This record gives sequence, structure tokens and C-alpha cells, in this order.
Amino acid sequence: DSGVTQTPKHLITATGQRVTLRCSPRSGDLSVYWYQQSLDQGLQFLIQYYNGEERAKGNILERFSAQQFPDLHSELNLSSLELGDSALYFCASSLQSSGESQYFGPGTRLLVL
Amino acid sequence: AQTVTQSQPEMSVQEAETVTLSCTYDTSESDYYLFWYKQPPSRQMILVIRQEAYKQQNATENRFSVNFQKAAKSFSLKISDSQLGDAAMYFCAYRSLINQFYFGTGTSLTVIP
Repeated sequence: DSGVTQTPKHLITATGQRVTLRCSPRSGDLSVYWYQQSLDQGLQFLIQYYNGEERAKGNILERFSAQQFPDLHSELNLSSLELGDSALYFCASSLQSSGESQYFGPGTRLLVL
Repeated sequence: AQTVTQSQPEMSVQEAETVTLSCTYDTSESDYYLFWYKQPPSRQMILVIRQEAYKQQNATENRFSVNFQKAAKSFSLKISDSQLGDAAMYFCAYRSLINQFYFGTGTSLTVIP
């Protein structure tokens, strides 16, 4: 158990809908990262937050957004969902903002029908 | 953009033997971080080992060690005394100093009893 929690574990929704994925980092960690793992595109970095501020942005679509709250939990919002958004979404956390190791949560499996 | 290449989609090793997984990367940066992650069938991403590019000494973690060749942009993972629990997908990852992450496509490791 990495100490990072993600909810829900599974999510099934329809195209065009909007969903919110939630992540709680390990106790004491200030950075949160979001990743998407799909069969055709592998593991892709989406975005990083550090102590409430956006720190780095990867291949995140405009339909997706994220935020980190004062209690350091983070939410990833996915809107206007498409079939291709079906994937495993991981959250990871680390103590600081750069260089050190990240610890991954168990992931949220999203299925868009 | 940086790219990470894992040229071995699948590898197998006899239990108790040694196996080496390959990873190469492309970058113009001089400072960065490299990681190996393990993803067992549970899909949990587990950090195996980490290497800072400015360190010449190869990182080791128990049975896991790396061969980091900075000039060749190579970062291979050696697993000694392979155990059944080592069976998993292994991902090589690159982290730039501006916190961009890039993952390879993974190597599926089978451990034969």
C-alpha cells in the first residue's frame, strides 16, 4: 500500500458525460500527479500540482482539468467524454515538487460506453 | 520532446537467474532523473529504483540494480536471483527538470519456475 488513495475504483459512464476522479496523497506529500494509462497510448503524464499550484502540464486535453485543494487532495475532471477516454487513471504523490520518487495510487478504471 | 524506448516487449527468466531489461532515451538535457517502475497484474505502479543523471554511481536496491550509461543514453535494469513475484510489466521513465514525465511502452517479464 503506497498510502495514496483514489476514488472511485471503477467508473462506467456514457459519451458526452462528465466525471470527477479524486486523489488523496500520502500524508505529508505536497505534490500530486495525474497519469492516463490506455492500451493504445501507454502511460501518459497529464498534470502536476504542488501545494495547490499547477507545476507542470503534460498531454492533458482541454476537456480535462484538475485542481489541488488546501487539504492537498486533488480532483481530475473529465468532460465531454469520448470512447477513447476509457483508460486507467493514476494519481501519484511526492514530498516535494521535483526529482524525488513518486508513489502511485491504485488507479481509477474509467469505461466510457 | 524526450522519448523513452523499451525495445523488448517481452522477456522471460528462469527463477533464481538474472535478467536485464533495456531502456534508452533521447534528450538534450544534462540533468534529469530516470526510474524503473513495476506494474504487476494488480495494475498498481510500484517504484523499483531511481537514478539521478548527475550521479555516476549506478543505483542499487537489493536484487535490483541499474547500468546507467549517460553518454549512450541507456538505462538498463538488472534483476538478480529472480523470484516469481518479479513477474510484472516493467516501465522505464524519464523525468525532466521541468517535471515532464515520459514513460516507455513497457517490458512484460515472465519468471519461469
